[in-house]
Amino acid sequence: DAKTTQPTSMDCAEGRAANLPCNHSTISGNEYVYWYRQIHSQGPQYIIHGLKNNETNEMASLIITEDRKSSTLILPHATLRDTAVYYCIVSRNAGNNRKLIWGLGTSLAVNP
Amino acid sequence: NAGVTQTPKFQVLKTGQSMTLQCAQDMNHEYMSWYRQDPGMGLRLIHYSVGAGITDQGEVPNGYNVSRSTTEDFPLRLLSAAPSQTSVYFCASSPPGTSTGELFFGEGSRLTVL
Repeated sequence: DAKTTQPTSMDCAEGRAANLPCNHSTISGNEYVYWYRQIHSQGPQYIIHGLKNNETNEMASLIITEDRKSSTLILPHATLRDTAVYYCIVSRNAGNNRKLIWGLGTSLAVNP
Repeated sequence: NAGVTQTPKFQVLKTGQSMTLQCAQDMNHEYMSWYRQDPGMGLRLIHYSVGAGITDQGEVPNGYNVSRSTTEDFPLRLLSAAPSQTSVYFCASSPPGTSTGELFFGEGSRLTVL
């Protein structure tokens, strides 16, 4: 599975959009981009995933570049409760093989 | 609907002791897995199971055993605990027929081996 590169930490003002970048320049055609977050040592929480097209759900939007070498997770109106470590993971959607490779993620601090 | 439940939440062991970390899910998920999380490292897969009676090794399986006798339960056994097994352990499950990346995690079990 392709590796990802994320900034170690980011800050965002409450109420503003948080844009979290992820570089996955070695991604292959059958690999998906997944985003999870982990709030204060709780269990990680799934946010969103995508293959080629931009995706949106009630939590966030995922923007994937046309060449698929990078993506951005957007939290449209960040709140203090969005302070967490955000993980970008690239993985093949291969049947029952769910061997996600986790990096260290981006620590997002939402400030009042 | 409790989701993924892990017990105990905290445990202190002495070197050489054995114990079992319990994981149960009530979502009828076929896939279950165990991860460990250490400071400065990402989550690492220990063992996983794609259904009752089927288990396989992940990235760091040494020192751990698993079994899957029912769909609901996936216990992780430490046969002879070592200080290197001090970690936070997470159990995760995933339903069939959906994106294989969507994992549901428990709240974690924090283990200290002295």
